[in-house]
Amino acid sequence: EIVLTQSPGTLSLSPGERATLSCRASQTVSSSSLAWYQQKPGQAPRLLIYGASSRATGIPDRFSGSGSGTDFTLTISRLEPEDFVVYYCQYYGQRFGQGTRVEIK
Amino acid sequence: EVQLVESGGGLVQPGGSLRLSCTASGFTFSSYWMTWVRQAPGKGLEWVANIKQDGSDKNHVDSVKGRFTISRDNAKNSLYLQMNSLRVEDTAVYYCSRDGTWNLDYWGQGTLVTVSS
Repeated sequence: EIVLTQSPGTLSLSPGERATLSCRASQTVSSSSLAWYQQKPGQAPRLLIYGASSRATGIPDRFSGSGSGTDFTLTISRLEPEDFVVYYCQYYGQRFGQGTRVEIK
Repeated sequence: EVQLVESGGGLVQPGGSLRLSCTASGFTFSSYWMTWVRQAPGKGLEWVANIKQDGSDKNHVDSVKGRFTISRDNAKNSLYLQMNSLRVEDTAVYYCSRDGTWNLDYWGQGTLVTVSS
């Protein structure tokens, strides 16, 4: 079973700053099956990035994904107030990472 | 517009049963794998089960195998999760989601299951 480890657990930044979130897999995975989700308080998760680097429909271009093999990254180029929430990576059909919370510094 | 609406959650005693439903609209339900994901209070997301378009292939996370069963009725555009022998640790919001191409592209709003005596 593939285990995804997200880091850091909490990221403290200011609006306008760049956020870099990491997702590391316990073994090499296919990039096509690596996705990122955003979850706001009290809401269902929303697909942000699929195939490691493709933005889902309606997702602003300040969100980008990259990586391959075991190391994947979600980057938010300039944090907006609504971006200070929780982000999860997932290898399709298997468990999610434990999440990274982006909080206002 | 794709919509997924879960129902059937509630309070149940340990050892009890519940059947969750998810009604889909806005897309051809029979063309997609479907998935259940849960989230315990204050915790992260946990993949629970998924099912192939025609119901011929099903997968469940180890922690629910033998207790939960995913199923679907394509004629009713509905997905189900039969939950038996419920435990306190099954307390969570349960989300229904549509499988896109190797991702979960649409989610319902969730239904809360509370297992408590």
